[in-house]
Amino acid sequence: SQTIHQWPATLVQPVGSPLSLECTVEGTSNPNLYWYRQAAGRGLQLLFYSVGIGQISSEVPQNLSASRPQDRQFILSSKKLLLSDSGFYLCAWREIGGGTEAFFGQGTRLTVV
Amino acid sequence: DQQVKQNSPSLSVQEGRISILNCDYTNSMFDYFLWYKKYPAEGPTFLISISSIKDKNEDGRFTVFLNKSAKHLSLHIVPSQPGDSAVYFCAASALVGGKLIFGQGTELSVKP
Repeated sequence: SQTIHQWPATLVQPVGSPLSLECTVEGTSNPNLYWYRQAAGRGLQLLFYSVGIGQISSEVPQNLSASRPQDRQFILSSKKLLLSDSGFYLCAWREIGGGTEAFFGQGTRLTVV
Repeated sequence: DQQVKQNSPSLSVQEGRISILNCDYTNSMFDYFLWYKKYPAEGPTFLISISSIKDKNEDGRFTVFLNKSAKHLSLHIVPSQPGDSAVYFCAASALVGGKLIFGQGTELSVKP
């Protein structure tokens, strides 16, 4: 069966520090991968998605970047965090093709102080 | 540009009654729609989906209706139970391409 791992669960980082959140998927090949952010009291904002290794689509211009160095690994990064980067970050995967549901990790609560 | 909209941030329903959650979309390329349920500090869990070739899909107490001409979908929960209290998100994608867009969510409260 397929599983998705996302870590860490919580993170407190000072303004200006770098960020690296990692997400890995097991039990499937060539999935679509996604990073979403939920700010306090807001909806799920699509940040990045990837349909293959090295293929990253960015939805919102911002202080973040994403990379997919391996088929089932998706990394969210920042060189210098801003206060506005605080939020709940969610990684998700789904089978390629678009006509299936996406499965989410448990999320990372990032607080930038 | 909000391509998927849930205009009701909250909904309160009595236990046993019907809950109706609404969602509108603007992108005519969307042809696959999903509903998710989310608790605080957890990832969303999939509830039910519908493709654009259908106008209704039912799974137990959950039914999703799609009106393509109006670019509108709704989720009906009958009967509503206190355990259904959560935030519900609708989402939309095209069968071609990877983008999956979510609405802002509706917080459902089912009162005993």
